[in-house]
Amino acid sequence: QKEVEQDPGPLSVPEGAIVSLNCTYSNSAFQYFMWYRQYSRKGPELLMYTYSSGNKEDGRFTAQVDKSSKYISLFIRDSQPSDSATYLCAMTNPLNNDMRFGAGTRLTVKP
Amino acid sequence: DTEVTQTPKHLVMGMTNKKSLKCEQHMGHRAMYWYKQKAKKPPELMFVYSYEKLSINESVPSRFSPECPNSSLLNLHLHALQPEDSALYLCASSQDFRPELNYGYTFGSGTRLTVV
Repeated sequence: QKEVEQDPGPLSVPEGAIVSLNCTYSNSAFQYFMWYRQYSRKGPELLMYTYSSGNKEDGRFTAQVDKSSKYISLFIRDSQPSDSATYLCAMTNPLNNDMRFGAGTRLTVKP
Repeated sequence: DTEVTQTPKHLVMGMTNKKSLKCEQHMGHRAMYWYKQKAKKPPELMFVYSYEKLSINESVPSRFSPECPNSSLLNLHLHALQPEDSALYLCASSQDFRPELNYGYTFGSGTRLTVV
């Protein structure tokens, strides 16, 4: 079992849809959680950084962390074609500073 | 300045060549990282520098040699690479290596390396 599981997709949605992206993890030592967006042939861009369980909102993006279930989510409201990218979850174990990425989910938002 | 700048953007090199990748940030970040990313895969950590000292080497072959001349610069020296080393090489930085102090990483756009 991988430490971080993320469905690679691809995921295709119509413009304006609510997108839900998810990761599960097996190591309860992970305490810090991030979502990155990566456009083709570019480096990842940090979208959200969270620590505690609960929700964190930034514009159209909401990150949700459920440490008891070892499950994190990223919601994108009113999705736009410009949101088409690969979304990577990442999480860090503060005991050894080890950061692990999920496999990434490829998202296409169709006009 | 909130960017990590990587040069060159593209590099083609032969297996006997020596080349260097360069990474620069002026955000005052004290941790810098080299990652390797193959197509449709997540980034894989290669090296971590924390306060200009090499903190982590993820068992990377010696044909890759990192260097951190100062707190703003990070180099990756390449020598005698193999075709399977062709990938996107990403540099990243963060305020601190410790996750409770770094608030996530800032990545550069990468150098796309092709070894022929």
